[in-house]
Amino acid sequence: QKEVEQNSGPLSVPEGAIASLNCTYSDRGSQSFFWYRQYSGKSPELIMSIYSNGDKEDGRFTAQLNKASQYVSLLIRDSQPSDSATYLCAGGGHGSGNTGKLIFGQGTTLQVKP
Amino acid sequence: NAGVTQTPKFRILKIGQSMTLQCAQDMNHNYMYWYRQDPGMGLKLIYYSVGAGITDKGEVPNGYNVSRSTTEDFPLRLELAAPSQTSVYFCASSYGGRGDTQYFGPGTRLTVL
Repeated sequence: QKEVEQNSGPLSVPEGAIASLNCTYSDRGSQSFFWYRQYSGKSPELIMSIYSNGDKEDGRFTAQLNKASQYVSLLIRDSQPSDSATYLCAGGGHGSGNTGKLIFGQGTTLQVKP
Repeated sequence: NAGVTQTPKFRILKIGQSMTLQCAQDMNHNYMYWYRQDPGMGLKLIYYSVGAGITDKGEVPNGYNVSRSTTEDFPLRLELAAPSQTSVYFCASSYGGRGDTQYFGPGTRLTVL
């Protein structure tokens, strides 16, 4: 069974700190990885996507991918209370064909305390 | 653009009833997906479509059916509703498949009593 694993948290950090969210995946065939943010009662929205080993930065967000370790992470610098949400990690590109199917982790709840 | 729209927002069904959840997108996306999200859990793929007339099962298809007669619409049919189908249902779409961003609709909260 292909899986994406996340610690459900909650992860609590003070305002201005770095929040580190982690994710592991079981399918070595996965080629694309996504971090979605989901506020309570709302739909997921894309924060970052990453396809190659290494780091990818976008503003206060950095995604890191290590395919050898099957590990994906998301760093949020200068965390703000508005970053408080559930962060979903998803992996895709596995299996045959170009279906776009994603496997989601259960999500990590982040709380940023003022 | 409205993006991905879903109706209804909320629905309560009795056991054994049937209903159709509507999903539409106006972004000319080829790929569409139906997910369910149980409390405190991630999303599970129910069905997906890579284009009009082409659909396939995801991880949890039992109790559901889909059709895709147009590029824009991807309705999800629940037959003989059961309490285990109580969940939040999200429709998503993407232009392409592997590697393309999926855009989500606002969701339908379904309760089966």
